[in-house]
Amino acid sequence: DADVTQTPRNRITKTGKRIMLECSQTKGHDRMYWYRQDPGLGLRLIYYSFDVKDINKGEISDGYSVSRQAQAKFSLSLESAIPNQTALYFCATSDLEDPTNEQFFGPGTRLTVL
Amino acid sequence: GQNIDQPTEMTATEGAIVQINCTYQTSGFNGLFWYQQHAGEAPTFLSYNVLDGLEEKGRFSSFLSRSKGYSYLLLKELQMKDSASYLCAVRDSSGGFKTIFGAGTRLFVKA
Repeated sequence: DADVTQTPRNRITKTGKRIMLECSQTKGHDRMYWYRQDPGLGLRLIYYSFDVKDINKGEISDGYSVSRQAQAKFSLSLESAIPNQTALYFCATSDLEDPTNEQFFGPGTRLTVL
Repeated sequence: GQNIDQPTEMTATEGAIVQINCTYQTSGFNGLFWYQQHAGEAPTFLSYNVLDGLEEKGRFSSFLSRSKGYSYLLLKELQMKDSASYLCAVRDSSGGFKTIFGAGTRLFVKA
């Protein structure tokens, strides 16, 4: 079974719709992240959380919100989707105790906003 | 602020050696990572350097020079399955220990 799962894997929606992307992990990690990936721009950090009561903005948080419902769950919401939010979204986790802070990525959610 | 530069694309031949360079600027360097990402898949961790020098792991090695803001990933005995994007990333201690990723280098391995 995958350690980091994302649902849905693919989603097509229309401008103005509210969308939620979900991430779950069984690794027992405290730290969780949401990134988006666009061609030529690499991975950009949207939000991150170092524990259940900790939420931090990343490089590109405008238009997004997150919820850390439990240690194992971190959801990303687009309150009113717009076409330039079309991208590949990755959730990742890392272990507070790991000095390298290696990140483990989920399989990604491909979101298309029409 | 942070800035990470790496070549957009590289091509190499099966069995050869390729070096992918990465330069970075950061206000609070706290480690450099290399990740591999096959098309349509999630990135996977390859290496981590926090001190100057070479870290070797099988066919892959990573080098860091903190004074020059420079790293490279060396891939030996290239295989077709090494065709992927290679992401250089830097962890910055200023503003919360975020990891900032470069745009990636797409490596094409030809027979």
